[in-house]
Amino acid sequence: EPEVTQTPSHQVTQMGQEVILRCVPISNHLYFYWYRQILGQKVEFLVSFYNNEISEKSEIFDDQFSVERPDGSNFTLKIRSTKLEDSAMYFCASSERGTGATGELFFGEGSRLTVL
Amino acid sequence: KNEVEQSPQNLTAQEGEFITINCSYSVGISALHWLQQHPGGGIVSLFMLSSGKKKHGRLIATINIQEKHSSLHITASHPRDSAVYICAVSFNNDMRFGAGTRLTVKP
Repeated sequence: EPEVTQTPSHQVTQMGQEVILRCVPISNHLYFYWYRQILGQKVEFLVSFYNNEISEKSEIFDDQFSVERPDGSNFTLKIRSTKLEDSAMYFCASSERGTGATGELFFGEGSRLTVL
Repeated sequence: KNEVEQSPQNLTAQEGEFITINCSYSVGISALHWLQQHPGGGIVSLFMLSSGKKKHGRLIATINIQEKHSSLHITASHPRDSAVYICAVSFNNDMRFGAGTRLTVKP
């Protein structure tokens, strides 16, 4: 069964460092998403990406965040200068159609980021 | 103000019981999603609904668009159903999540 894969599964970094989280979406999917979940809190939408550009972003997704699809398979989330409050589980998801067009979501297992 | 409200927050049941988890939302939506988050943290999509009712095995999901309400039912619950169940609503390509319902099914 096709799946979304994320790397790394866990990353520990120092405050102020840049972090890149990687995702390989399902190959025929066109819409890609990043979500985060701070420990003990609810999942939060960060950004959606379609046709090589951001289609929606939340108020959380400020200038320290960026997303990229550098080749035909990877979808990355970069956090430029990490803060303590960026510590969270980051989930990548993909869908064949957008969630606005009722596309079903497929989630990766998540990347746990710990900022010290 | 929470756009997605779930109840109950926590639910403990005996194996075999019928379970209902409720979700209310306050915004216009394209679709409503029910997700299952395992103890290890992974998230699986159970249902995506824009109207009516869907059934998959022992799971049933319903939505009432006029009342902005959805329910997830689990028939003949089993300890392996223990997880956090999350209601989420999508509009455009944005998505808002409920806080989740932690279900524990005891043998």
